[in-house]
Amino acid sequence: DTGVSQNPRHKITKRGQNVTFRCDPISEHNRLYWYRQTLGQGPEFLTYFQNEAQLEKSRLLSDRFSAERPKGSFSTLEIQRTEQGDSAMYLCASTPYETQYFGPGTRLLVL
Amino acid sequence: AQKVTQAQTEISVVEKEDVTLDCVYETRDTTYYLFWYKQPPSGELVFLIRRNSFDEQNEISGRYSWNFQKSTSSFNFTITASQVVDSAVYFCALSEAGYGGATNKLIFGTGTLLAVQP
Repeated sequence: DTGVSQNPRHKITKRGQNVTFRCDPISEHNRLYWYRQTLGQGPEFLTYFQNEAQLEKSRLLSDRFSAERPKGSFSTLEIQRTEQGDSAMYLCASTPYETQYFGPGTRLLVL
Repeated sequence: AQKVTQAQTEISVVEKEDVTLDCVYETRDTTYYLFWYKQPPSGELVFLIRRNSFDEQNEISGRYSWNFQKSTSSFNFTITASQVVDSAVYFCALSEAGYGGATNKLIFGTGTLLAVQP
């Protein structure tokens, strides 16, 4: 039984570059979430998909952020024109309904 | 607004000691879920337990036990006879129940870093 997977696990980029992260949820989980976690804090909700529909976006998700989930399977999170404040761990979780199961995260460092 | 407070930032214990991690929550919802997750140094959040707001029965799983009290809006987590492998950051989280198209997004506390010394 494979869990949630995320790629890449680590990403170092220069300020102003675009980055894209991928999340593969547990098979048949129709709900998918993205969270962001900064050092010393708990994860904060970014966005939510039910199947392919993006149903909620946090105010944390500025115009530079976009997320997709084509065909209701994997999801991508893109950050355009990265800023140093975007440095964080980006976590993906999936669930069939109540309990969310998390992937290992993508740790982003913007120089 | 929903909020989760974990007042203990760091706890250090010696192996085999019992330790309790506190969690206090705020919500206007009458139906909600409470969770505990463990985050070891590797970074992946590991699910430990989910509690429905209607079920105040305490639960025990091996060395872990949870005490849910709606009267004080608390959902505390006790580890009995702690071990070095229990060292991690523990997060308490809250979500609304998923009726009527609710998102079920998790609201996390700031976490408690537990260090178990050998």
